Amino acid sequence: KQEVTQIPAALSVPEGENLVLNCSFTDSAIYNLQWFRQDPGKGLTSLLLIQSSQREQTSGRLNASLDKSSGRSTLYIAASQPGDSATYLCAVTNTGNQFYFGTGTSLTVIP
Amino acid sequence: SQTIHQWPATLVQPVGSPLSLECTVEGTSNPNLYWYRQAAGRGLQLLFYSVGIGQISSEVPQNLSASRPQDRQFILSSKKLLLSDSGFYLCAWSAGLKNIQYFGAGTRLSVL
Repeated sequence: KQEVTQIPAALSVPEGENLVLNCSFTDSAIYNLQWFRQDPGKGLTSLLLIQSSQREQTSGRLNASLDKSSGRSTLYIAASQPGDSATYLCAVTNTGNQFYFGTGTSLTVIP
Repeated sequence: SQTIHQWPATLVQPVGSPLSLECTVEGTSNPNLYWYRQAAGRGLQLLFYSVGIGQISSEVPQNLSASRPQDRQFILSSKKLLLSDSGFYLCAWSAGLKNIQYFGAGTRLSVL
């Protein structure tokens, strides 16, 4: 069964700093990988999706990379802002119908 | 555009009472539908998913059940709630080749 791990569990950085969040998965035969943001008490918002054939995706200050062979993905956030404070989750799907989530990284950006 | 509605936003129920949470999707046809539970400080646990009307797959044995009476309606139910059923319940849908998953706003369930 696919297992997804996110490190670190929590991260606190000063405003303006660049940061990297990590996601690893045990079964490299994935269909896609998706990064989400979750604000406290809210649902998940999709940030980026990387298809299995892709190496990276970019949206504004966010860049997600995928290394399928090593079972890893990173989410790079440039010039962090207090509004980026949230929990970030990654999820992979093998068959397209089932998604496996990591436990998330709680990010705090200090003004 | 597609939207997903989930209600209620919060719910407080006594142990042993029934449960019905509803989720509806607009703007898409034949979506995959999902119910997740997120316990405090833990990741998302997939409870049920459905690829079509009347087709329900259960991921974990429990006293919850799901039904899909219409293409874009997904219902999570229980006949008798347990204390351990407390948590944050999220409905989601996905469709298309990219299979991007979109989430509802969630229901905070407290069983007392």
